[in-house]
Amino acid sequence: DIQMTQSPSSLSASVGDRVTITCQASQDISNYLNWYQHKPGKAPKLLIYAASNLETGVPSRFSGSGSGTDFTFTISSLEPEDIATYYCQQYDNLPHTFGGGTKVEIE
Amino acid sequence: QVHLQESGPGLVKPSGTLSLTCTVSDSIRTSNWWSWVRQPPGKGLEWIGEIYHSGSTNYSPSLKSRVTISVDKSKDQFSLRLNSVTAADTAVYFCARRITIFEVIDAFDIWGPGTMVTVSS
Repeated sequence: DIQMTQSPSSLSASVGDRVTITCQASQDISNYLNWYQHKPGKAPKLLIYAASNLETGVPSRFSGSGSGTDFTFTISSLEPEDIATYYCQQYDNLPHTFGGGTKVEIE
Repeated sequence: QVHLQESGPGLVKPSGTLSLTCTVSDSIRTSNWWSWVRQPPGKGLEWIGEIYHSGSTNYSPSLKSRVTISVDKSKDQFSLRLNSVTAADTAVYFCARRITIFEVIDAFDIWGPGTMVTVSS
């Protein structure tokens, strides 16, 4: 299985701050990486697909980059509604695997 | 917009079988895979397996010996059976659509709201 390592596991930031989350794959996965937002009691939501493509309807403050083994997810200006846990997920090989998640909180 | 909805018992006894069904609001006969993902309390997301409307399946190796996913095209439903459950199988279970367009997108783009299943006597 391909292991996905996310960091940090949690962070606290102020409204308006730039937030960056990293995801590292245990082997080269090209750009076969997605990012999801998950709020408690809700369904996870696809934000970014193929490492850097914004899903339709997702605000432009969210972005993703990277290829190979190292990926970055950024919120350019944190909003209160962005409080959630964010997950990366690789689809290069089965089984599909997710990172451990990054919980984003407001200071 | 397609909607997914999980249904099934919220409580299962240890060593028993967990059975859930996901109802798709549109036709299941599309070029998508239909998946199950779970989240144990306080933990991250874990992919369980998936099925195509033809009946082809893929399973997580860690659960493969205990999992069966099936499809009922006449009802636009797919189902999960997990046998020999223990407390470690307590989780919120999500069904999800995996959309695949070659070299464009391969992602879980639509999810059900999830259903909590507790394994306890």
